[in-house]
Amino acid sequence: DGGITQSPKYLFRKEGQNVTLSCEQNLNHDAMYWYRQDPGQGLRLIYYSQIVNDFQKGDIAEGYSVSREKKESFPLTVTSAQKNPTAFYLCASSVSLRWVEDEKLFFGSGTQLSVL
Amino acid sequence: GQQVMQIPQYQHVQEGEDFTTYCNSSTTLSNIQWYKQRPGGHPVFLIQLVKSGEVKKQKRLTFQFGEAKKNSSLHITATQTTDVGTYFCARTVPNFNKFYFGSGTKLNVKP
Repeated sequence: DGGITQSPKYLFRKEGQNVTLSCEQNLNHDAMYWYRQDPGQGLRLIYYSQIVNDFQKGDIAEGYSVSREKKESFPLTVTSAQKNPTAFYLCASSVSLRWVEDEKLFFGSGTQLSVL
Repeated sequence: GQQVMQIPQYQHVQEGEDFTTYCNSSTTLSNIQWYKQRPGGHPVFLIQLVKSGEVKKQKRLTFQFGEAKKNSSLHITATQTTDVGTYFCARTVPNFNKFYFGSGTKLNVKP
């Protein structure tokens, strides 16, 4: 089955620790995204990537880092600089790096990150 | 900025009642998309509206795009418990693969 796999489902971070959230897709999509979801605030864009070895900051990139070494993979690192990391993190993908009118997002099942 | 405003934040209805959520923008939108997130789940794409005044239906769900392309609505007729979840609208940015989401409307349906 094609889809997006996020792991782990739950993650706990200690003070001063960096943690990495995994996102893998087998949909052959060019574009991948990371969103943060807090209660009552909808989804906010952290980073996105339209092609391998290239990515751009979203609206709330501070304290986060990403890499896109392979088309299928877009891991997100939550660094110790992110002072309020507790949230639900969603990875998503869309078909093309070139804008297509009927482009839509496919989401993974998410990772709940909590601070110990 | 690029966000869209969505109201209400919460809606509690009795099963069989209707439900509507609204999405508003201060700028003209190229299109609007709607997603549904079940409790504990992830957002799933429902529909996209592109044309001014467009109306689309999916069974009991009716989606509208305003004439000025600055607002949109999702109406559910005769809600069922399976409609429970959070409904998000999202705007897209032309020429870039960027999607901006509203804050969502959380729907609870009492049986």
